[in-house]
Amino acid sequence: QSVLTQPPSVSGAPGQRVTIACTGSSSNIGAGYDVHWYQQFPGTAPKLLMYGNNNRPSGVPDRISGSKSGTSASLAIIGLQAEDEADYYCQSYDSSLTAVVFGGGTKLTVL
Amino acid sequence: QLHLQESGPGLVKPSETLSLTCVVSGAFIRDSTDYWGWIRQPPGKGLEWIGSIYSSGTTYYNPSLESRVTISVSENQFSLRVRSVTATDTAVYYCARLRYRLYFYDFDWWGQGALVTVSS
Repeated sequence: QSVLTQPPSVSGAPGQRVTIACTGSSSNIGAGYDVHWYQQFPGTAPKLLMYGNNNRPSGVPDRISGSKSGTSASLAIIGLQAEDEADYYCQSYDSSLTAVVFGGGTKLTVL
Repeated sequence: QLHLQESGPGLVKPSETLSLTCVVSGAFIRDSTDYWGWIRQPPGKGLEWIGSIYSSGTTYYNPSLESRVTISVSENQFSLRVRSVTATDTAVYYCARLRYRLYFYDFDWWGQGALVTVSS
């Protein structure tokens, strides 16, 4: 049971828009801790995809965006492409656990 | 360009100690204002933060693993030891740079990962 809750899977057709939710609580996202997102392809290390809620590292296309509100955050991908098919993880910090915490991960399938 | 590389035995017997090292190149740990950390991922499962260390040697551990884990730093590398391992410690172990600011903790550079299997 992860501290941050994500849907196990989402899917969309090429060109469509998908969102991945990350639900936390008052001791992590709701306490003001930033949310970060990672993209992971099979057999490879996670890669930072979004940091500080809505900031893209160099090289990440602007069709990918992040947002945060209250105790939740979300990652949105518009103009879905086959190359977006991967696992996505949200991450934050929990002040009650005094630990860096991850969501359980969401598998994005491009139909 | 930062590069992190994990190394260590790929097979550890139950009840023994898992040891991994992460060599950092492209930056000096002693000059860095960031932390350095370990994350693991059991086969087919999600990511779990193990702990992090600052250049001064100050450490922070996941409370769920704290009793069995030690992270240390030396020169331009940092190491992980997990004592009394069981099959549930079988995972890919990643080292990564942890950026820390007020209300902000993220991992911006990752090693490629090292699979460690606990089995007799």
